[in-house]
Amino acid sequence: AQSVAQPEDQVNVAEGNPLTVKCTYSVSGNPYLFWYVQYPNRGLQFLLKYITGDNLVKGSYGFEAEFNKSQTSFHLKKPSALVSDSALYFCAVRDKTGANNLFFGTGTRLTVIP
Amino acid sequence: DADVTQTPRNRITKTGKRIMLECSQTKGHDRMYWYRQDPGLGLRLIYYSFDVKDINKGEISDGYSVSRQAQAKFSLSLESAIPNQTALYFCATSATGAGTDTQYFGPGTRLTVL
Repeated sequence: AQSVAQPEDQVNVAEGNPLTVKCTYSVSGNPYLFWYVQYPNRGLQFLLKYITGDNLVKGSYGFEAEFNKSQTSFHLKKPSALVSDSALYFCAVRDKTGANNLFFGTGTRLTVIP
Repeated sequence: DADVTQTPRNRITKTGKRIMLECSQTKGHDRMYWYRQDPGLGLRLIYYSFDVKDINKGEISDGYSVSRQAQAKFSLSLESAIPNQTALYFCATSATGAGTDTQYFGPGTRLTVL
């Protein structure tokens, strides 16, 4: 069965500093991995995905994620955090058994401190 | 994202009442999903539909039913609401084929069952 884990419920970072939101996965075979962001009172928005190819994936709003097969990780990163990046971030993995549904992690709340 | 709308946005009801949450989309997608979000649990899939005639149970379908009235409309019903169904409910859509992995979410419905 596919699953993802987000080990940190909360991440705090100062504005202008680099940020990392962690995600590890458990998948048989090659994973299809995603990051979504949820701003207050909004639905989830797609940020980026890894299907195959380059291990560094670039997405929306200056975010990127690094796929690491040996560590089974897919951490979300941004070189310089903005206060407006404060939100709830979800990692997800795609079901490869046929339905192609997404399984989401429990979410990490990122707070960027001015 | 106005492409996926949900009504109502907020609803307070009593135990035992029947409730319907509605979702409409203008993205022209065949696939639609219903999730619930609970603090610390992330998003869990309730039902999903690949087209009007194809409806499937997700991870936590007990106590819920759905209706796909048209390609653009997918409703979630709680036949007899109970307090542990208090949650934030999201509808999502996705395309078929290569686009199935990116899901587009509505703004959510906050349901409180007293």
